[in-house]
Amino acid sequence: EAAVTQSPRSKVAVTGGKVTLSCHQTNNHDYMYWYRQDTGHGLRLIHYSYVADSTEKGDIPDGYKASRPSQENFSLILELASLSQTAVYFCASRDNNNQAPLFGEGTRLSVL
Amino acid sequence: GDSVTQTEGQVALSEEDFLTIHCNYSASGYPALFWYVQYPGEGPQFLFRASRDKEKGSSRGFEATYDKGTTSFHLRKASVQESDSAVYYCALGPSNMGYKLTFGTGTSLLVDP
Repeated sequence: EAAVTQSPRSKVAVTGGKVTLSCHQTNNHDYMYWYRQDTGHGLRLIHYSYVADSTEKGDIPDGYKASRPSQENFSLILELASLSQTAVYFCASRDNNNQAPLFGEGTRLSVL
Repeated sequence: GDSVTQTEGQVALSEEDFLTIHCNYSASGYPALFWYVQYPGEGPQFLFRASRDKEKGSSRGFEATYDKGTTSFHLRKASVQESDSAVYYCALGPSNMGYKLTFGTGTSLLVDP
């Protein structure tokens, strides 16, 4: 069964600290994505990747970095976490058949 | 750029009511259109998609018809149940099936038993 697994499921971070969110997929999908969810904004694309060792900027990349060390793994990195980055983060991989992103369960990040 | 508009932020219905959630888009060409559903504490789940004019997508009793004339892809269900309470997202993908989907802001559906 296709699966996207995110870790941790929730995290509390301090302002100015470094945060790494991890994502692992077992679907053999090429494309992977990081989205941010905020009330009133829906889902917004931060970074994406279509091949290992390569990442691309999405619509709101400022303050975030991404890393794709292998086809299965895709990380989102906040080098200097800020209050405004408190949100729920979703990783997804794209289904090769219907082209629809398959989402993980999400990571709830609170920056204090 | 491409955009998706969901006009209803919240919809409240009773069981067995008819549901319509409006979705309008702005994009060039023939984008692919998607509906997702998100239950509390979970990630969004793919419902269905359509990629050409007049094509109907459907799943779990929900359906929507791609209408290029009115640039719409409204979600409908004939008889909602309490278990349909969730947030529904309309999304748009480029016609060349490029890298990303653009999501609407979501519509929260609450169904009273």
